[in-house]
Order: sequence, then structure tokens, then C-alpha cells
Amino acid sequence: KNQVEQSPQSLIILEGKNCTLQCNYTVSPFSNLRWYKQDTGRGPVSLTIMTFSENTKSNGRYTATLDADTKQSSLHITASQLSDSASYICVVSDRGSTLGRLYFGRGTQLTVWP
Amino acid sequence: EADIYQTPRYLVIGTGKKITLECSQTMGHDKMYWYQQDPGMELHLIHYSYGVNSTEKGDLSSESTVSRIRTEHFPLTLESARPSHTSQYLCASSEQGQILGDRPGELFFGEGSRLTVL
Repeated sequence: KNQVEQSPQSLIILEGKNCTLQCNYTVSPFSNLRWYKQDTGRGPVSLTIMTFSENTKSNGRYTATLDADTKQSSLHITASQLSDSASYICVVSDRGSTLGRLYFGRGTQLTVWP
Repeated sequence: EADIYQTPRYLVIGTGKKITLECSQTMGHDKMYWYQQDPGMELHLIHYSYGVNSTEKGDLSSESTVSRIRTEHFPLTLESARPSHTSQYLCASSEQGQILGDRPGELFFGEGSRLTVL
């Protein structure tokens, strides 16, 4: 069964600290992995997209890594800010159809305290 | 910033009412999607469209219906709302399918419509 598991479920850190969010997946055949940021009550916004051949991608203070062999990804946030408080969702796409079936994780709820 | 808009953002209605959630995008995308999201849970695809006059049901069974008469417009309708329909509904669009060779299609989401049925 294709699944996407994220950990931790929730995380609280102090402003200025770094943190790393984890995503493990069993989706096969793998096409790409995305990280989204979803503020409370808003729609998800894309942070990074990585294909099989990419093992790291950065977007400002966000750096995503991908290990396609172990089917793991991480999202590292550097020098956290209060505005980083949000849910971070890992999404994996398969190559089973032209639409590309998307498998969503439940997200990690990050809270940044001043 | 994505040019995809959803209205209303919030809606509270009584059981049995008919409601339509509007979704419009100005990016000229052929592919549009409706997702349902409950608190702390993953997004579930309930409807999608490849283009005008194309609509398909997603993975999660839903009593809602959709239509795609114009490229930019993808409304979702519930003929008779029930408390079990209470949820967040997210509309999304993409220029191409999620797969295009080595370049996956970017998926743009609207701000969502939070529906509460009393």
C-alpha cells in the first residue's frame, strides 16, 4: 500500500533555532517528492519539488533532501522565524498514470515561539 | 503567487441546503482538482478535470458534483448538505499532469473554503 508518513506530528522550537522534519514513503514507482507549507486556514504553498535524480534542493532557509534508495526525505529549516509556524506537508507522486497520483502525508505542525 | 481563487472562504449553513463552492484560476491551466481536508489529516482527492467538459471522481467518495464548462472555472456543488460534509475544501490547478518527463507539474492551491453544516 502506498503511504507517506511524517514525523514528528508536531514540533515546538524557539525563534532562531534550526529544525528538521522527516518524511518516509512507500510509494512506487516513484516520480517526485514535494514539500508544501500550509498556514492555518490557508491553502498549501509549494516549497520544493525533487525528482528521482535530485538529492537536495533549497528554497531560501528551507533545504529538502531525498534518499530514493531508503525512501526518505527531510526538510531542514534554518534560523527559524515566527512566520515559519505552519503545517509542513510531504507529498509523493507515482508514475502509475499520466495524471501522477499524489500521496499526501498528514503534515508536521511546527510552532515557533519568540 | 498563484492566481487561483475560491469563494466563499467560510460558509455555515443548515442541513438540507444546496451549496456551490466556486473555484476560478486565471493561469489558463487545463487540469483542476478538488481536495477535502479535515484537521490533522491528509488531503483527499474528490474530483479532478483534465479540461473543458472533462470531470472524474477522485479517490475519496463524495456526494458532491463538479462541472467544467469553462477552462478557468471548476465549481463544486452539494445538492443537500449534511453535517458529515463539514470540512475544508481545497481547489488546485496545474498546467500539465503531475508527470511530464523529468519535470513534474507545479500544483497551485486556492485558499480553501471551510464549510460547516449545522
